[in-house]
Amino acid sequence: AQSVTQLGSHVSVSEGALVLLRCNYSSSVPPYLFWYVQYPNQGLQLLLKYTSAATLVKGINGFEAEFKKSETSFHLTKPSAHMSDAAEYFCAVSYYGDMRFGAGTRLTVKP
Amino acid sequence: DGGITQSPKYLFRKEGQNVTLSCEQNLNHDAMYWYRQDPGQGLRLIYYSQIVNDFQKGDIAEGYSVSREKKESFPLTVTSAQKNPTAFYLCASSQDRIGTDTQYFGPGTRLTVL
Repeated sequence: AQSVTQLGSHVSVSEGALVLLRCNYSSSVPPYLFWYVQYPNQGLQLLLKYTSAATLVKGINGFEAEFKKSETSFHLTKPSAHMSDAAEYFCAVSYYGDMRFGAGTRLTVKP
Repeated sequence: DGGITQSPKYLFRKEGQNVTLSCEQNLNHDAMYWYRQDPGQGLRLIYYSQIVNDFQKGDIAEGYSVSREKKESFPLTVTSAQKNPTAFYLCASSQDRIGTDTQYFGPGTRLTVL
């Protein structure tokens, strides 16, 4: 069965610093991978998704993620954090529509 | 604008009562889902439906029930059999239930049992 592990339940960065949120997956077949963002008391919004077309995926709000099969990873990055990036981020893996979410990483951005 | 609506945003229930959470979508999506979110646990699937008049249990269906009488509607009932119902409930939909399909989420309903 597929699953995802997000390393670090909380990440804190300074405004303007690099954002790196880690996600490792396990899947017996080529996975479809997603990153979602959730602001307080709201639903989830899609940031980006990997569907095997390209290993580097660009998403909204300046985020991108790189699929590394050898490392079974799909880490999310942003070169320069903004205060508005403070939210909870979820990595997810899907196989035939059975989507499994990680536990989430809460990103705090310090001024 | 197309999207998913959930109501109410906040819901309070007394122990022993059944409550129904509403989910409506105008995206013309075939598949709809209900998830439960608890702090530090991510999202867990309660029920999903791929077509009208058909639905399947997810990982934590006990104490919940659903119906899918119309394509655009997928209400969730939290019954008195659900022992710990206080949580944030999210409804989602996708064009189909295949791996590449993006799930689009509603704004959520926060249920509190008094």
